[in-house]
Amino acid sequence: GAVVSQHPSRVICKSGTSVKIECRSLDFQATTMFWYRQFPKQSLMLMATSNEGSKATYEQGVEKDKFLINHASLTLSTLTVTSAHPEDSSFYICSAQTNHGTSGTSSSYNEQFFGPGTRLTVL
Amino acid sequence: GENVEQHPSTLSVQEGDSAVIKCTYSDSASNYFPWYKQELGKRPQLIIDIRSNVGEKKDQRIAVTLNKTAKHFSLHITETQPEDSAVYFCAASGGSNYKLTFGKGTLLTVNP
Repeated sequence: GAVVSQHPSRVICKSGTSVKIECRSLDFQATTMFWYRQFPKQSLMLMATSNEGSKATYEQGVEKDKFLINHASLTLSTLTVTSAHPEDSSFYICSAQTNHGTSGTSSSYNEQFFGPGTRLTVL
Repeated sequence: GENVEQHPSTLSVQEGDSAVIKCTYSDSASNYFPWYKQELGKRPQLIIDIRSNVGEKKDQRIAVTLNKTAKHFSLHITETQPEDSAVYFCAASGGSNYKLTFGKGTLLTVNP
């Protein structure tokens, strides 16, 4: 099956520093990866869509200058939380997408495989 | 954009009973409806999914039904076990939008 890894699994940093999180698809190539944030007892909230070789697409309300996304290869996307603050403490989860069916038709759909998540704590 | 509503937010059942979680969606173009199980601090795990050309799908104790006309889909877990206790999320995607939109989740507790 499709395997997605994420590194680090847990990070504690001081306020004002930057943290980089890596998301890798280990056994398949993913032109599209997604970054989610999950606060305690809440659902997954999509932050941005990461596209290989092009700029990420950010959801409304997500600051692109604060959450830098780089999708440099078909197996790696990185999320950098810049100038982190305590309110950025959260569980960050990536997913990598595989496509099924013929693109653009009603038979096409996408399956997402999730990474194990990164617990970020900003002191 | 797509909006997914999920109910109930919490569900407590006795071991061996059935559990049902319901979701509605708003975008008629959505054609893919996965269900995820998430244990505390872990990644969401896909447990079953259904596409809009199918009305029902079953995998052992888990089944999902889809009513495309009414735009709702449900997860059914039979003969529940304590290890089924977790948060369950429904999601929807499809059409021109490949993003997954998640429901708010259901905390299922199976009491021994």
